[in-house]
Amino acid sequence: RKEVEQDPGPFNVPEGATVAFNCTYSNSASQSFFWYRQDCRKEPKLLMSVYSSGNEDGRFTAQLNRASQYISLLIRDSKLSDSATYLCVVNIAGTYKYIFGTGTRLKVLA
Amino acid sequence: GAGVSQSPSNKVTEKGKDVELRCDPISGHTALYWYRQRLGQGLEFLIYFQGNSAPDKSGLPSDRFSAERTGESVSTLTIQRTQQEDSAVYLCASSRQSGTINYEQFFGPGTRLTVL
Repeated sequence: RKEVEQDPGPFNVPEGATVAFNCTYSNSASQSFFWYRQDCRKEPKLLMSVYSSGNEDGRFTAQLNRASQYISLLIRDSKLSDSATYLCVVNIAGTYKYIFGTGTRLKVLA
Repeated sequence: GAGVSQSPSNKVTEKGKDVELRCDPISGHTALYWYRQRLGQGLEFLIYFQGNSAPDKSGLPSDRFSAERTGESVSTLTIQRTQQEDSAVYLCASSRQSGTINYEQFFGPGTRLTVL
């Protein structure tokens, strides 16, 4: 089992739709969680950190479920510019390693 | 403030040549990472530096790969006798660390290496 698993997609959604991605992790000692977006042929860029209480940034909402060991990302009112690959990243407590998921590809269609 | 910078942005080389890639982390970030990303693939961890501690080189794929960092500043990744399978984007990232807490990583734009 991979340490961090994501549905590779692609998720094809119309503009204005709401879309949700899940990411599961296997190490219960995971401490810090992040969502990054990566555009084609570009570097990953931090979208948001994921806090235990959940957090929201505009149209984006991230949730953490420690009991079930997954994090989620919800995108409301999808824009064409949201088309990208979304990477789930996990850091294990007491280590410096960041474990990257392979990413979920989103295509927002006009 | 300035982000992570990398140079060159693109490098085309012939098989068997050596290449050197450079990374300038964000000022004040003690942790620095190198990753490799092949076309259509995920990020592959190569090496980690933290302050003046010994680096974690466990991700380097062969002894042709080496990296250095002086203190908490610039890092260079060197690939000797390049092979075609080394063709990839090499990404550098830096982050703050405080005790056992690891903060967000910030990535440079990468160096796209093509070995002919």
